[in-house]
Amino acid sequence: KQEVTQIPAALSVPEGENLVLNCSFTDSAIYNLQWFRQDPGKGLTSLLLIQSSQREQTSGRLNASLDKSSGRSTLYIAASQPGDSATYLCAFSRNTGKLIFGQGTTLQVKP
Amino acid sequence: NAGVMQNPRHLVRRRGQEARLRCSPMKGHSHVYWYRQLPEEGLKFMVYLQKENIIDESGMPKERFSAEFPKEGPSILRIQQVVRGDSAAYFCASSDAGTPGEPQHFGDGTRLSIL
Repeated sequence: KQEVTQIPAALSVPEGENLVLNCSFTDSAIYNLQWFRQDPGKGLTSLLLIQSSQREQTSGRLNASLDKSSGRSTLYIAASQPGDSATYLCAFSRNTGKLIFGQGTTLQVKP
Repeated sequence: NAGVMQNPRHLVRRRGQEARLRCSPMKGHSHVYWYRQLPEEGLKFMVYLQKENIIDESGMPKERFSAEFPKEGPSILRIQQVVRGDSAAYFCASSDAGTPGEPQHFGDGTRLSIL
């Protein structure tokens, strides 16, 4: 049973478009939720971390929201650029700190 | 200000050999997490270690896999008698506290290929 589901699995958009990536999770007792970016052959870069007591976090063109009651988080990317092309992963942490990951959304932004 | 360092970046082993993957956490971090990313799958937690202690190994396969984080030196993930199914990317992450609210910082991973 998948604990974290990310929709869509893949997304291709033209440059400049605003877009939303979705993440849903089954465990309401999360401590925090993180969004990561992974480039091919590389590790993970943390984009945003939302504590369980928070509703959203913003960094530049990125905004992430968290709704624990419905088990959902969204990552909003404004004015997308080709350099945003990557796989985006969401993950929540439990009380031991270990992260539970979704399978990611692979984003392609076409110039 | 070095981040999490993993080596080697790529490792090729034949079936039956041993694989040793190393992870040096960020400076000042004493908590290390190992994750595995199998082809076409998401990252899965393997083990969480603090200096000289295993805190949570609930994601470790029962046989052939072991991990340590000694008082001095890097954390080591060891796979004995490797099989083709062990081919994956292995990522290490570190944090400066074991609390769930602390962000984890990831290395670039070790890509393990089994011939």
